[in-house]
Amino acid sequence: ETGVTQSPTHLIKTRGQQVTLRCSSQSGHNTVSWYQQALGQGPQFIFQYYREEENGRGNFPPRFSGLQFPNYSSELNVNALELDDSALYLCASSALAGGTLYEQYFGPGTRLTVT
Amino acid sequence: AQSVAQPEDQVNVAEGNPLTVKCTYSVSGNPYLFWYVQYPNRGLQFLLKYITGDNLVKGSYGFEAEFNKSQTSFHLKKPSALVSDSALYFCAVFLPNQAGTALIFGKGTTLSVSS
Repeated sequence: ETGVTQSPTHLIKTRGQQVTLRCSSQSGHNTVSWYQQALGQGPQFIFQYYREEENGRGNFPPRFSGLQFPNYSSELNVNALELDDSALYLCASSALAGGTLYEQYFGPGTRLTVT
Repeated sequence: AQSVAQPEDQVNVAEGNPLTVKCTYSVSGNPYLFWYVQYPNRGLQFLLKYITGDNLVKGSYGFEAEFNKSQTSFHLKKPSALVSDSALYFCAVFLPNQAGTALIFGKGTTLSVSS
């Protein structure tokens, strides 16, 4: 196991609702990245946080937002849920130093189902 | 656009036989290359990476990967497959020294090892 934890494990929401997913980083890691993995697809980069600031973003709308806390844990918030948001959401922690991002360690994921 | 291709959705191999899971990439610069494995209802587990040096990289669980710069490929290999190797395998690239970038994944290849 990587030491990266995510909660909850599973979640069912209704279209239009809002959801918050949580991630605890591996000790010593200062960077958290979030990915969306739709069924049958590879993970797609949502955004990355470094020292509590958004450090990069993929092709996702603003209703996907996040936070990183001083202990480097993180939240992913999704507003106005759509059916297509149903996916496995993966959090990955890593160390960023000198401009180099070292290998990312993934949590087990949160399975979100939107009905 | 930066992309990673895994041309085979599924690879079937008999236990004890060698296996190859193919990956090619199309990115600018000199990326870091990764292989991850995903078991059902689990997050991604790091297998191996190539940054620089010897083109043959050894990783976890007896896996290795061969980097070929001219063919922009990074195929995953194992000399003797085990039934327990059956899982979903992802190839990924990372572009170093670019702030806010993250892993770019292929769609994944399902490896099925029969006894």
